[in-house]
Amino acid sequence: IAGITQAPTSQILAAGRRMTLRCTQDMRHNAMYWYRQDLGLGLRLIHYSNTAGTTGKGEVPDGYSVSRANTDDFPLTLASAVPSQTSVYFCASTPGTGGIDEQFFGPGTRLTVL
Amino acid sequence: GQNIDQPTEMTATEGAIVQINCTYQTSGFNGLFWYQQHAGEAPTFLSYNVLDGLEEKGRFSSFLSRSKGYSYLLLKELQMKDSASYLCAGMDSNYQLIWGAGTKLIIKP
Repeated sequence: IAGITQAPTSQILAAGRRMTLRCTQDMRHNAMYWYRQDLGLGLRLIHYSNTAGTTGKGEVPDGYSVSRANTDDFPLTLASAVPSQTSVYFCASTPGTGGIDEQFFGPGTRLTVL
Repeated sequence: GQNIDQPTEMTATEGAIVQINCTYQTSGFNGLFWYQQHAGEAPTFLSYNVLDGLEEKGRFSSFLSRSKGYSYLLLKELQMKDSASYLCAGMDSNYQLIWGAGTKLIIKP
């Protein structure tokens, strides 16, 4: 693989269920990000990680958690999904540790919570 | 507060020139990014400006005025494949991107 992969591509989930969105990159990038994209709104940052072993909260972190056990993987977990979490989720990465860098995006996960 | 404003939708003709405007308000400023996003796909990087002036890259150019909190993306010799959304994003003092909602560009033959 080359770049960033996300899984699943799409998912329909019942409210109250737990769900983990997977993100893996093979570019050895240091920083990784999770965004959600909703119609009529800009991308909103959920959580980020500047290097393996560290994470931080973005603009809309409530209801989501992340971990960064190694450089390549940055999973996003919804502990108990709610309909307002219906969105398209993008994972992104940058070579640096959170400074001024072009962000590379994965293909996205379309999540529907019913 | 932090805010990025850009038009929701624009229409242009194949072969023509179009300018997509963006005004920004961020807490601190570490530059202005433009990304392209085709429908159903991921955003891809187009340009970055941190100094005033015009940066040209092939058919695409990006302009920044820091004093006015204003940027534009200029697309020349429009092609049908340029039909996409164009996202403006300002980088704040914490190096986080504040994104606009995007401008959907429709190209007509």
